Amino acid sequence: SQQGEEDPQALSIQEGENATMNCSYKTSINNLQWYRQNSGRGLVHLILIRSNEREKHSGRLRVTLDTSKKSSSLLITASRAADTASYFCATDAPQGAQKLVFGQGTRLTINP
Amino acid sequence: DTEVTQTPKHLVMGMTNKKSLKCEQHMGHRAMYWYKQKAKKPPELMFVYSYEKLSINESVPSRFSPECPNSSLLNLHLHALQPEDSALYLCASSQHSRISTDTQYFGPGTRLTVL
Repeated sequence: SQQGEEDPQALSIQEGENATMNCSYKTSINNLQWYRQNSGRGLVHLILIRSNEREKHSGRLRVTLDTSKKSSSLLITASRAADTASYFCATDAPQGAQKLVFGQGTRLTINP
Repeated sequence: DTEVTQTPKHLVMGMTNKKSLKCEQHMGHRAMYWYKQKAKKPPELMFVYSYEKLSINESVPSRFSPECPNSSLLNLHLHALQPEDSALYLCASSQHSRISTDTQYFGPGTRLTVL
């Protein structure tokens, strides 16, 4: 069953601009993770935010979590061409099953 | 070494063939995963091995048969596949199988085409 929904499905911006992606989920979670996937490649873990955290930073990445709204956002500041990729949120599955469930993803294109 | 390797990178097979995908990690991780990913879709979990024992099988058809010979290796044996099984197969590992705390490290994937 699907846990995460991402918005927008696709985003195209100019290099140097900020990119914001959103993820909504349905049931309570222990944590939420963001992964990046370059075209046809494996996923790379970006950041994990726990349910008791509201905001987390890592370099040019800023993640927020609002458990009352069951939503998270990923902000990439000062985007670069190398940020072109698909971005997925992932949460632990409902009913405590020990597995990750990925959202549908946002395809981000950074135009030079 | 924080790398998960997968071989082969590409595989083309007929519906009557038997082939295997291989995954290897040397990070001392005790949980390993197989995911299937169709184009423009998120990865979908197939199997989880925790401490070399199969802990999750997501109702995957028996034409996919996982094997974990040791803590560093994970295989996926393929037999009598269908064209709709064509996809990117991703292997991942994590220190344990605690989803609440563990980061998963992914390999680059095997692009499988079934003719």
